Amino acid sequence: DAGVIQSPRHEVTEMGQEVTLRCKLISGHNSLFWYRQTMMRGLELLIYFNNNVPIDDSGMPEDRFSAKMPNASFSTLKIQPSEPRDSAVYFCASSHPGTSGGSYNEQFFGPGTRLTVL
Amino acid sequence: QQQVKQSPQSLIVQKGGISIINCAYENTAFDYFPWYQQFPGKGPALLIAIRPDVSEKKEGRFTISFNKSAKQFSLHIMDSQPGDSATYFCAATNTGNQFYFGTGTSLTVIP
Repeated sequence: DAGVIQSPRHEVTEMGQEVTLRCKLISGHNSLFWYRQTMMRGLELLIYFNNNVPIDDSGMPEDRFSAKMPNASFSTLKIQPSEPRDSAVYFCASSHPGTSGGSYNEQFFGPGTRLTVL
Repeated sequence: QQQVKQSPQSLIVQKGGISIINCAYENTAFDYFPWYQQFPGKGPALLIAIRPDVSEKKEGRFTISFNKSAKQFSLHIMDSQPGDSATYFCAATNTGNQFYFGTGTSLTVIP
């Protein structure tokens, strides 16, 4: 299994530009999570989907951020317009929903996209 | 507001030594406490996890100690190896979806 795939791995853009981050889930998984990682705040959940439906987007910082799942295996996170404070590493993770053997199902993380907004 | 507080921020240990990373939480509704390991350029990966109904869980050289009354839990790495050098995150959840992560500990094991 290839694991969660993210692209691009690195993105450098100028303030005001639109940025689109992409994520391909592990085959068979139907929960998708977008995280942002910074030194100051660590890992923060931005939004998650179950079966292509956004369940909780309370972590999305502001209207400049939007996420979609056009199909069961693919998601995008868009920032428009981008700002320097959006610079961070963005991870997506996927899992089966619910529990297994009494424990919550593991979230499998992609390698991340390092975004730099100048 | 950080739901899970983690310390230290960085840790340097000699090969063969014990690495200890601590976390504290406030929300008594949390019922699952995983630890994640992250190597440079990679995403976090689940290392070991514990439920609050036990005080300790061991998997190989990795042990979680859990103190429910103090609302604290810690990761112990016995016989630390250079290959253990990574960033470690504690986390907590009571939904399986909203995980609250600590800010991470960068561990360096010196040969």
